[in-house]
Amino acid sequence: GAVVSQHPSWVICKSGTSVKIECRSLDFQATTMFWYRQFPKQSLMLMATSNEGSKATYEQGVEKDKFLINHASLTLSTLTVTSAHPEDSSFYICSAPVLVTGELFFGEGSRLTVL
Amino acid sequence: TQLLEQSPQFLSIQEGENLTVYCNSSSVFSSLQWYRQEPGEGPVLLVTVVTGGEVKKLKRLTFQFGDARKDSSLHITAAQPGDTGLYLCAGDPGGNQFYFGTGTSLTVIP
Repeated sequence: GAVVSQHPSWVICKSGTSVKIECRSLDFQATTMFWYRQFPKQSLMLMATSNEGSKATYEQGVEKDKFLINHASLTLSTLTVTSAHPEDSSFYICSAPVLVTGELFFGEGSRLTVL
Repeated sequence: TQLLEQSPQFLSIQEGENLTVYCNSSSVFSSLQWYRQEPGEGPVLLVTVVTGGEVKKLKRLTFQFGDARKDSSLHITAAQPGDTGLYLCAGDPGGNQFYFGTGTSLTVIP
């Protein structure tokens, strides 16, 4: 199957700083990537759809200026949590669809802890 | 926005028992997928169903897509401790946007 990789897996930062999470498709091109947020023992909440070469599409209630998404190439999307606060602590997961099959492949996830 | 409701939300059963997880929506999906996720990891795809009424089997797991493509079920026969995890359904209403269900946390006790 296709491989999607996230980095970093774990990150701890101080309140007020910004954190960047990378999502890469390693063996296929992804014109679209999805970013999710997940709280313990809960499901994935779609935050935004990242589109290569254009602006991301954000779900209702997700602050665009807080969660900056950049889809720089066909294999890389980044999520930057700006001016992070403790309530932003969560597990962030990206995914990318293989359009031919419609299958969705996930990164390993990035656990963010804001002190 | 969670378009898909899963039930039950939590399930704890003894090894060897059977169980069914339901995924329901008022929306129609062009395809629906089931995933299993273990703590600290990303979800892993189990199956994709695309045709109304479709039934797929994966060893002891049986997946069914509703005739109207609004709901799905996952049945596990003779559950084993290795089946423990968070089970998620995810629907694509079209346009390649995937929305996840509320999740079912399964614990199989040896």
